[in-house]
Amino acid sequence: DGGITQSPKYLFRKEGQNVTLSCEQNLNHDAMYWYRQDPGQGLRLIYYSQIVNDFQKGDIAEGYSVSREKKESFPLTVTSAQKNPTAFYLCASTTFIDSGNTIYFGEGSWLTVV
Amino acid sequence: RKEVEQDPGPFNVPEGATVAFNCTYSNSASQSFFWYRQDCRKEPKLLMSVYSSGNEDGRFTAQLNRASQYISLLIRDSKLSDSATYLCVVNTNYGGSQGNLIFGKGTKLSVKP
Repeated sequence: DGGITQSPKYLFRKEGQNVTLSCEQNLNHDAMYWYRQDPGQGLRLIYYSQIVNDFQKGDIAEGYSVSREKKESFPLTVTSAQKNPTAFYLCASTTFIDSGNTIYFGEGSWLTVV
Repeated sequence: RKEVEQDPGPFNVPEGATVAFNCTYSNSASQSFFWYRQDCRKEPKLLMSVYSSGNEDGRFTAQLNRASQYISLLIRDSKLSDSATYLCVVNTNYGGSQGNLIFGKGTKLSVKP
């Protein structure tokens, strides 16, 4: 089945550690996104990538880094510079061939700082 | 004015009720519109796209009003399973094919027996 796979689903991080969240899609989508969602809040864009080897900062990029070496993969690293990283992280993708640019989400990753 | 604005709710309604949500958007150049449903601690899932002529999918009806810059979602005969947060998503296509997806913060619906 085609889809977006995020891993791990649950992750615990000690303060001062970097962690990387994986996102893989087999939908042949051009664009990929990372969002952060805090309890009771909306989605906030961290980074997005429209094409391989290119990515752009979203609204809350500080303390995060990404790479897009392959079309299928868009990993997110939460660095120690991110002061409040505990949140629900959602990876998404879309294609610009669709006239509606429908966005599809992975199941999300829960990150907790301990 | 926020780019995409929704009433956060919660909307508490009895089973069988009809409930409507609105979502306003600020950018008149917005091209496409969607409603997503998000269950607690889950990822958002596409409920329906919103077309200029309005569209219906079973108990759900979506409307677009470009003049007043809002979209709406109507749920008829609401079920317990409709309890969720409903997210409005607006796509403003800047520079050709590159989209700019803006999410509302969501409207929480709770359907009670």
